[in-house]
Amino acid sequence: GAVVSQHPSRVICKSGTSVKIECRSLDFQATTMFWYRQFPKQSLMLMATSNEGSKATYEQGVEKDKFLINHASLTLSTLTVTSAHPEDSSFYICSAGKRERGTNTQYFGPGTRLTVL
Amino acid sequence: DQQVKQNSPSLSVQEGRISILNCDYTNSMFDYFLWYKKYPAEGPTFLISISSIKDKNEDGRFTVFLNKSAKHLSLHIVPSQPGDSAVYFCAASADSGAGSYQLTFGKGTKLSVIP
Repeated sequence: GAVVSQHPSRVICKSGTSVKIECRSLDFQATTMFWYRQFPKQSLMLMATSNEGSKATYEQGVEKDKFLINHASLTLSTLTVTSAHPEDSSFYICSAGKRERGTNTQYFGPGTRLTVL
Repeated sequence: DQQVKQNSPSLSVQEGRISILNCDYTNSMFDYFLWYKKYPAEGPTFLISISSIKDKNEDGRFTVFLNKSAKHLSLHIVPSQPGDSAVYFCAASADSGAGSYQLTFGKGTKLSVIP
């Protein structure tokens, strides 16, 4: 297996502020990390693919200026929700890709609950 | 167009019995399949995977079966335990051998194991 951490696990902020979420691969290096969003009772929605040392690739409909992603090292990717609004309240989950025995597996962090007041 | 489908949103099974979770896919380029388990307010946990060159992979109580001709895979849990109650996501990857990490997820099946 592999361990991925996220910080913070829970954050409450006022509307208009920016929030940064960190995702770390603790026991392996990850050239590729992913950011997902999950609404209540819904499946995972991929927001963007984060590649170390290059720009993130955003999925259709995801505003790149609102959800800033930085993957500055092989163990850390950050997601910054800029000028957060109540509709951004959600459960954000990151994952890191690890190659094992010739196959690629995503290992997920524990998630971050964002509540925007 | 949903490329990975989990047609049963929920499943209830008696403790000790077998749980069978199903998943269908449409993209013939998928060559690697994974199952994840997710508890509420937590990230998904990798459970088991199977490469398209195999038709079965077993790990303890968990077995995944792949039927490529039918584009169907299933996860068997036996015996089912109350702690198995969670949402199970089926996921598929194309070009995994070429280095792609991207996964396409199904919408999940909520398994409830009744004591």
